[in-house]
Amino acid sequence: ETGVTQTPRHLVMGMTNKKSLKCEQHLGHNAMYWYKQSAKKPLELMFVYSLEERVENNSVPSRFSPECPNSSHLFLHLHTLQPEDSALYLCASSQGWGDFLGAGELFFGEGSRLTVL
Amino acid sequence: AQTVTQSQPEMSVQEAETVTLSCTYDTSENNYYLFWYKQPPSRQMILVIRQEAYKQQNATENRFSVNFQKAAKSFSLKISDSQLGDTAMYFCAFMKPYGQNFVFGPGTRLSVLP
Repeated sequence: ETGVTQTPRHLVMGMTNKKSLKCEQHLGHNAMYWYKQSAKKPLELMFVYSLEERVENNSVPSRFSPECPNSSHLFLHLHTLQPEDSALYLCASSQGWGDFLGAGELFFGEGSRLTVL
Repeated sequence: AQTVTQSQPEMSVQEAETVTLSCTYDTSENNYYLFWYKQPPSRQMILVIRQEAYKQQNATENRFSVNFQKAAKSFSLKISDSQLGDTAMYFCAFMKPYGQNFVFGPGTRLSVLP
């Protein structure tokens, strides 16, 4: 079992649909992240939660809505998406946030491949 | 703002040979971390190796080593005795202090050929 689990692995949705991506980490980490991975582009950080509070929101459109009900779970709610939102969405976790000496490794899930028609 | 550049979109290497992946970055910070992450096809991304900027000694992890040139802002990854399982996308990443705001490069697709 991987430390970070994402569901669904694949999702196809229309522009008017509402869906959610789920991420769960079993590592006891305190920080969780959403990244967007598009072809031939660097990973884009979308949101960061530390101890269930959002600490980063990188100018992401409001059609993406994150939710972190506890330190083990992270959701990305999707509504009225555009075709250019099609990408691989990666969830990651890390032991902490803002602690330089203890910081470093991100643990990633396998991603949710989203296709918007 | 920090940027990370990987100038080699694709590379290939014969099994058992050595390959070096390039990475340069731009920052005004003095202390930071650098990373190489590996993303195999349809598999999750995993950490390969990391380097603290305040350490002069280059990091090594088994067949993986880095050449960290702080003044040149260069951080290359050397893979020795390449194996078929090394086939993957490799991402160079930078992290500034006090916050886990990683900046990733665009990646290098490495193919290890039998």
